[in-house]
Amino acid sequence: DTGVSQDPRHKITKRGQNVTFRCDPISEHNRLYWYRQTLGQGPEFLTYFQNEAQLEKSRLLSDRFSAERPKGSFSTLEIQRTEQGDSAMYLCASSHRGDEQYFGPGTRLTVT
Amino acid sequence: RKEVEQDPGPFNVPEGATVAFNCTYSNSASQSFFWYRQDCRKEPKLLMSVYSSGNEDGRFTAQLNRASQYISLLIRDSKLSDSATYLCVVPNAGGTSYGKLTFGQGTILTVHP
Repeated sequence: DTGVSQDPRHKITKRGQNVTFRCDPISEHNRLYWYRQTLGQGPEFLTYFQNEAQLEKSRLLSDRFSAERPKGSFSTLEIQRTEQGDSAMYLCASSHRGDEQYFGPGTRLTVT
Repeated sequence: RKEVEQDPGPFNVPEGATVAFNCTYSNSASQSFFWYRQDCRKEPKLLMSVYSSGNEDGRFTAQLNRASQYISLLIRDSKLSDSATYLCVVPNAGGTSYGKLTFGQGTILTVHP
């Protein structure tokens, strides 16, 4: 499968724990995006990388959230001290210069 | 005003019906637009791109009205398999230049026999 992949697909964690998600973009896509989607809403932009540089962060991305793309390939999104409000689907997308983005299957996070 | 607004529906239509969804956007400088389709508990997938006045692909037609800042999606001869959430998407809706996508809330379509 040459599409965007995400791991894990599902994560259940207790409030206060740290979690980390991984995204592998389509090979040679230089742009990588993270979005968050809650029930009944469209995805909301969190952050964006061009190669290894993080170029934009949403106000939604509090200090508890951090994202990296160390070698310009895969990316990780970490949430520290999780809260129940962090429960959502976390979607990763990639693109090659253009606006058309291809999404991964998402990581569904449940914070209990 | 929200950057991208859609009627959330739901729209319930019989097979074979024609259904249309509208979407409004706030940034008059936006140049390109997309409709994505999202099945239940799946990721969004690109359905159509709209770069000029409109685009047609089989049973699907997307139209753009820049003066009124709205985009529409028309589905003709609806199939059961068209049941999904349709997301109106505007790149750079907030005026940034990095291709950030701004999504509408999504319109739920259910096609019944």
